[in-house]
Parts: sequence; structure tokens; C-alpha cells
Amino acid sequence: AQKVTQAQTEISVVEKEDVTLDCVYETRDTTYYLFWYKQPPSGELVFLIRRNSFDEQNEISGRYSWNFQKSTSSFNFTITASQVVDSAVYFCALSPPNAGKSTFGDGTTLTVKP
Amino acid sequence: EAQVTQNPRYLITVTGKKLTVTCSQNMNHEYMSWYRQDPGLGLRQIYYSMNVEVTDKGDVPEGYKVSRKEKRNFPLILESPSPNQTSLYFCASSLYGQELFFGEGSRLTVL
Repeated sequence: AQKVTQAQTEISVVEKEDVTLDCVYETRDTTYYLFWYKQPPSGELVFLIRRNSFDEQNEISGRYSWNFQKSTSSFNFTITASQVVDSAVYFCALSPPNAGKSTFGDGTTLTVKP
Repeated sequence: EAQVTQNPRYLITVTGKKLTVTCSQNMNHEYMSWYRQDPGLGLRQIYYSMNVEVTDKGDVPEGYKVSRKEKRNFPLILESPSPNQTSLYFCASSLYGQELFFGEGSRLTVL
């Protein structure tokens, strides 16, 4: 069975602070995909990143970076110099290569205060 | 424009009155899926479909039915809705292994 744990239910930071959202996963599959999605207050779900299980390279996209560590089954997401517009619910997700049964974490609500 | 369209966006109904939430995608994706979102519980998968006429249960399929007669459509059917099915529902589609494209969500209230 698959499981995704986002232990941080809510995080509150002040603008320009760095913040890391944790994601720990469990799966018996040797090949899988990991994702992060953002849900802003408007409610839509927006894709941020996908990672293959065989690619442990960290990735940076502007102020966003992701740290994938297979040894600890973690896929953490860091926002550098946070902004008010980063306020949202962030979901980590896990799926097998053929999509199929996908599993989402419970989400972390990030509030960035001005 | 590539999109996933759900209807209705908002619905208030009563216990036991059958309803269907439609979902359509215009990206020729093989994979489609339904999720429900409840406070503190994240997104939970109801059903998914790998292709036409192929559907399978997700984590919370009880009380729901789906069908996939055409590639673009994947309706969610509540034969006899109950108050515990009050939720925010999302339809999604993707190419296998790629990111999910989500619809805008359908907020359902069952009285």
C-alpha cells in the first residue's frame, strides 16, 4: 500500500523567510513518481513538479527547490524568500509509473504574512 | 485551450436523489480519475480509469459509480447520495506517469 505523510498541517511565516514543506512517502514499488501540487485560495489545483524514483537530482526553479532523498523516502519542498502569493495548500503525491492508484498527502497550509 | 471541465460546479441535493457529475477532457488523455477533498483529509481517490471501458477502484469508492464509454468523458454517479458524500470533488486527467490536469472542482452538498 502507498502512503504519503505531510506532517506539517499548517505553517505560518513572514514574507522573505525561507520555508520547507516536508513529505515522506511509503511504497513497495521500485519505480514510482512523486509530485507537488499547489492549491491557492481560489481552489484550483496546480502542478508544480514531478520526480521519477530513479532520478535523485535536486531541482531548482526560481525560488522553489525540491530535495528528493530515496534513502529517507522524502521529497521536501523549499520556498526561498517567501511571498504572500505563496500562501496556499501544498500537496505531495505519489503514483506508480502507469498512473493508476495515486495517493496524496493531507496537505500543508502555508500562510505567508506581509 | 487544454482543459478538464466539470459540471455542475455547485450542487445542493437531498439524500437519495441520484445525481451525476460530468467530467470531460480535450487533451486525448488515456488516464482519468476522480478525487474528493475534505478538510484535513487531503485528496482521496474515488475511482480511476486507464482507458475506455477500463475502470478501477481508488481508496474511497463506496457509494460511487463511474463509467468510461468515451475517452474524453468520465462521469461520477452517486446513485443514492448521503450527507457523508458532501464534499469538494475533482476530476483529473493525464498521460500515463505525467502530471494530473484537474478540473475546477464541484462542490456538492447533500442534505
